[in-house]
Amino acid sequence: TQLLEQSPQFLSIQEGENLTVYCNSSSVFSSLQWYRQEPGEGPVLLVTVVTGGEVKKLKRLTFQFGDARKDSSLHITAAQPGDTGLYLCAGADNTGKLIFGQGTTLQVKP
Amino acid sequence: NAGVMQNPRHLVRRRGQEARLRCSPMKGHSHVYWYRQLPEEGLKFMVYLQKENIIDESGMPKERFSAEFPKEGPSILRIQQVVRGDSAAYFCASSFNLETEAFFGQGTRLTVV
Repeated sequence: TQLLEQSPQFLSIQEGENLTVYCNSSSVFSSLQWYRQEPGEGPVLLVTVVTGGEVKKLKRLTFQFGDARKDSSLHITAAQPGDTGLYLCAGADNTGKLIFGQGTTLQVKP
Repeated sequence: NAGVMQNPRHLVRRRGQEARLRCSPMKGHSHVYWYRQLPEEGLKFMVYLQKENIIDESGMPKERFSAEFPKEGPSILRIQQVVRGDSAAYFCASSFNLETEAFFGQGTRLTVV
């Protein structure tokens, strides 16, 4: 059974601080995706990483895929209150099925 | 993700009734996935369908739950004889093929009273 461990589960920081969310597995995934979910809404895709060692940047967000394609991280620089939300990592198997981590609830206080 | 349409957004059913959740994938997408999100938990895979075929239903409860994706019309997730434990948010996602990302709908929030 493929599992994704996401940490931390909860994070409360002040505006302007940096943070990193981790997503770890003992399984190899064909790709790994990061989503953000607002209350009452569906997950919105932020990025997909496919190649081991890949780094992608989305404004203040930096996503990294581990060399072995088993783990990933999301780093946010100078967090803003608008970054508040639930962040989900999900690994895709070869059928496109997604295995989700438990999510990280981020609160950025002004 | 606005392209994946789910309805209804909210559904209230009494114990023992049937719930039908509909999902229209994005235009051109033939792969549909259903996920369930229980309160305070992550999303769990339920079923993967292509047009007229169930490809993987390994996440579906063995009883009362069924899914279809007919040649014409939306994909349907059907829950018979609902119980309180079925209360959850049900999300549908669609993709163009196995190599492309899946996009999610806004979900149907089922409440069983």
